[in-house]
Amino acid sequence: GQNIDQPTEMTATEGAIVQINCTYQTSGFNGLFWYQQHAGEAPTFLSYNVLDGLEEKGRFSSFLSRSKGYSYLLLKELQMKDSASYLCAVTDSNYQLIWGAGTKLIIKP
Amino acid sequence: GAVVSQHPSWVICKSGTSVKIECRSLDFQATTMFWYRQFPKQSLMLMATSNEGSKATYEQGVEKDKFLINHASLTLSTLTVTSAHPEDSSFYICSASVPGQQTEAFFGQGTRLTVV
Repeated sequence: GQNIDQPTEMTATEGAIVQINCTYQTSGFNGLFWYQQHAGEAPTFLSYNVLDGLEEKGRFSSFLSRSKGYSYLLLKELQMKDSASYLCAVTDSNYQLIWGAGTKLIIKP
Repeated sequence: GAVVSQHPSWVICKSGTSVKIECRSLDFQATTMFWYRQFPKQSLMLMATSNEGSKATYEQGVEKDKFLINHASLTLSTLTVTSAHPEDSSFYICSASVPGQQTEAFFGQGTRLTVV
């Protein structure tokens, strides 16, 4: 079966750095996405990785290792507004998006 | 980026009635749209794939007669929750990708359905 695992909840301090991990087992791979979702709102796109390595975009970076079926989202200089759920999603061989359950990130002052 | 508009943002209806949710791609033609349901503190669950001009493909466990999907044009897909019950109360979200581009999915704003 297809499976995406990420921690249910994480807590971090304002100004700090946090890494949210995602491991996946899917039938084929055509890219990995990270989305941010605030409560009651639709997800918003953060990053897309299809090749191994680190993609940096401002305070957010995303890493992918296809051989390990592993990705992480790195958030630097955390701000209170970063409190949200972070969803990992993988596109399989049929280009269908498989979603992880999401990681709820709580930022404390 | 491409824009997907979903309407209404929230709706309250009586048990037994039907509710229609619209999903429009505003600046691109979407041959395929996706409908998700999300219960509190849970991830997105794909309900069905809506294909323009043909029948929708439903995920296992989703009642096609209860959740009617119509994709009559390249820019509009509708989801009708028929004979709604309180357990159908959820957050419904549609998404679409730009054809030929295997990149991000663009989401509608979502619809909060409450059945009383």
